[in-house]
Amino acid sequence: SQKIEQNSEALNIQEGKTATLTCNYTNYSPAYLQWYRQDPGRGPVFLLLIRENEKEKRKERLKVTFDTTLKQSLFHITASQPADSATYLCALDDSQGGKLIFGQGTELSVKP
Amino acid sequence: SAVISQKPSRDICQRGTSLTIQCQVDSQVTMMFWYRQQPGQSLTLIATANQGSEATYESGFVIDKFPISRPNLTFSTLTVSNMSPEDSSIYLCSVVKGASSYEQYFGPGTRLTVT
Repeated sequence: SQKIEQNSEALNIQEGKTATLTCNYTNYSPAYLQWYRQDPGRGPVFLLLIRENEKEKRKERLKVTFDTTLKQSLFHITASQPADSATYLCALDDSQGGKLIFGQGTELSVKP
Repeated sequence: SAVISQKPSRDICQRGTSLTIQCQVDSQVTMMFWYRQQPGQSLTLIATANQGSEATYESGFVIDKFPISRPNLTFSTLTVSNMSPEDSSIYLCSVVKGASSYEQYFGPGTRLTVT
């Protein structure tokens, strides 16, 4: 069956360190993968999209990698700040008209 | 990006009643979706709202329980019918702006509690 798995445990790191979040999937062949940030009581906010033919994408302190052989994406936040504390969701396209399938999310906490 | 508003932001309803949630976008969009997010869980797609035609529902969701309308390119409604406590959740609408876009923009959500 199809499955998307993110770090099940909450991630606690010290300010200034790099946070690395993992998204693994099985039985999908996504054309692209997306990462979203969700704060408590709010809707998810789009961060980055990476296509199947791209290995890496960067945006300011964010970096995403996409390995279609390993069926894995890594999401990095460098020089992390307490304001980066949130839940981060990965999402795969369902190859059917723009629908996304979301992982369960990883809660990141950055301590000062 | 797109600015999306939802009404109501929250409601407490009695079982057996229905609630209609509105989603308004500040510009025309190609696609609109409705999701459910149960406490501590990720997002589950309920349906794709199709402009001028019946919505496309995901497995486990039916039109009688979750009727959806999309009369134009900026507005959609989701009704949660004959509610039970299991329907207590956050309901979110999202949009895709253009035909060549893939990222989704989400509304703030509607927190529904059924007693």
